[in-house]
Amino acid sequence: GQQLNQSPQSMFIQEGEDVSMNCTSSSIFNTWLWYKQEPGEGPVLLIALYKAGELTSNGRLTAQFGITRKDSFLNISASIPSDVGIYFCAGQGRGAQKLVFGQGTRLTINP
Amino acid sequence: DGGITQSPKYLFRKEGQNVTLSCEQNLNHDAMYWYRQDPGQGLRLIYYSQIVNDFQKGDIAEGYSVSREKKESFPLTVTSAQKNPTAFYLCASMGWREGSYNEQFFGPGTRLTVL
Repeated sequence: GQQLNQSPQSMFIQEGEDVSMNCTSSSIFNTWLWYKQEPGEGPVLLIALYKAGELTSNGRLTAQFGITRKDSFLNISASIPSDVGIYFCAGQGRGAQKLVFGQGTRLTINP
Repeated sequence: DGGITQSPKYLFRKEGQNVTLSCEQNLNHDAMYWYRQDPGQGLRLIYYSQIVNDFQKGDIAEGYSVSREKKESFPLTVTSAQKNPTAFYLCASMGWREGSYNEQFFGPGTRLTVL
């Protein structure tokens, strides 16, 4: 099935640093969703985006819906140890019955 | 509280046995989904259902079966035909909330180990 190109695949950063990750698609999407998954748990929805160019924040997290509708970005500011996990992007086209997921970005933080 | 429950959290079965994973949601969502996740990997869609008594195959449906007799429930059966069933299984539901926004939520997952 179709997949999104999510990068980077992994990140190793120091506590306090900012983090950026992105997803790109060959198809246009009407919805972009960002999830975080911790070990042994289900993904938790962080931010949902519904309009091209939309910029939405959730605490230290900020996500943007790309103008072309083919990409999205997630930024985490001033990282803390509890930010560790795998971040997934997901997109949904108009009328689509299912989401398309990226492969995930694994975030590791050194205290 | 509204949400998605999956049970059990851990499941062990002998090779060759069928096993059914439970998924229940009280979010009043129409659509439900089953995903498989292998260690260090992303999510792969097994089956999904948009309405009661109807479901469609996802990308890796072989060796799995589902039913959707009730809106709240979407059980997944891992059959003996599934060649590599050991994995983490995630159930999800999707629906509209206020403002006509469509969001998908996940359950806590079931880790299946076939011995």
